[in-house]
Amino acid sequence: GAGVSQSPRYKVAKRGQDVALRCDPISGHVSLFWYQQALGQGPEFLTYFQNEAQLDKSGLPSDRFFAERPEGSVSTLKIQRTQQEDSAVYLCASSIRGAGAQETQYFGPGTRLLVL
Amino acid sequence: GENVEQHPSTLSVQEGDSAVIKCTYSDSASNYFPWYKQELGKGPQLIIDIRSNVGEKKDQRIAVTLNKTAKHFSLHITETQPEDSAVYFCAADTGGFKTIFGAGTRLFVKA
Repeated sequence: GAGVSQSPRYKVAKRGQDVALRCDPISGHVSLFWYQQALGQGPEFLTYFQNEAQLDKSGLPSDRFFAERPEGSVSTLKIQRTQQEDSAVYLCASSIRGAGAQETQYFGPGTRLLVL
Repeated sequence: GENVEQHPSTLSVQEGDSAVIKCTYSDSASNYFPWYKQELGKGPQLIIDIRSNVGEKKDQRIAVTLNKTAKHFSLHITETQPEDSAVYFCAADTGGFKTIFGAGTRLFVKA
C-alpha cells in the first residue's frame, strides 16, 4: 500500500519567496505531524493535526509558518517570506489514531528546502 | 519541556560486532520510547519501541533497554551487517502531541 508522500521533494527558493509543501498521509490516518530537520540533527516538532483540527502548533518557529489540513487528509505547510535559516528538510508523518496512543509514526521522504 | 540526549554521534563497527547507542531523557512523565532508522534521502522508519512498563524488548538482532529510575534507554544491535549503516534516532514521548528526538547517531558498519 501507499505510504506517506510529500511534494515537492526538493525546493529552491529565493529569500523572501513564499513556499508551499504538501503532505499526503496514509489514507484513514487520524494524526498528522510536521517536523523540521536541520542538517545533522534530529527531527524537531512543528505542529500536529488530529483530523482537520490543529491541536498543537507550538513548534512553529514564527508567524511566517502556517499549516492546514482542511479536510482531514492532505496537509500543506506554508512558509511566507522565506529566510535562509528556513533551509532544512521538512518531514511529514501520520499515525492511525490520535496522538498519545503511543503508536508508530509513518514518515514521508521529506521536502528538502534550500533558501538562497 | 522534554530534552533527549544521544551518544555517540558517530559509531563505527566491524561487520558482525555489536553496536550500542545510548540516550537520556529529562521528563519523568515520558512513557514511550521509539527508535528510528533513517537512510540517506528517506524519512525515519520505526525499528523498535518500548513502553515505560517494560524494561527490555527484543526483536531479532535489535534490543532496547529502559531504566526509568536513571531516565536512560539504549539500543543494542548484534551481529551488525553493512545494511545496518544509517542514522539512528532515539525519541521520547510523554503521551501528548510532541515526540522529542535525539540528535542522532551515524552508524558505519565496515565489511
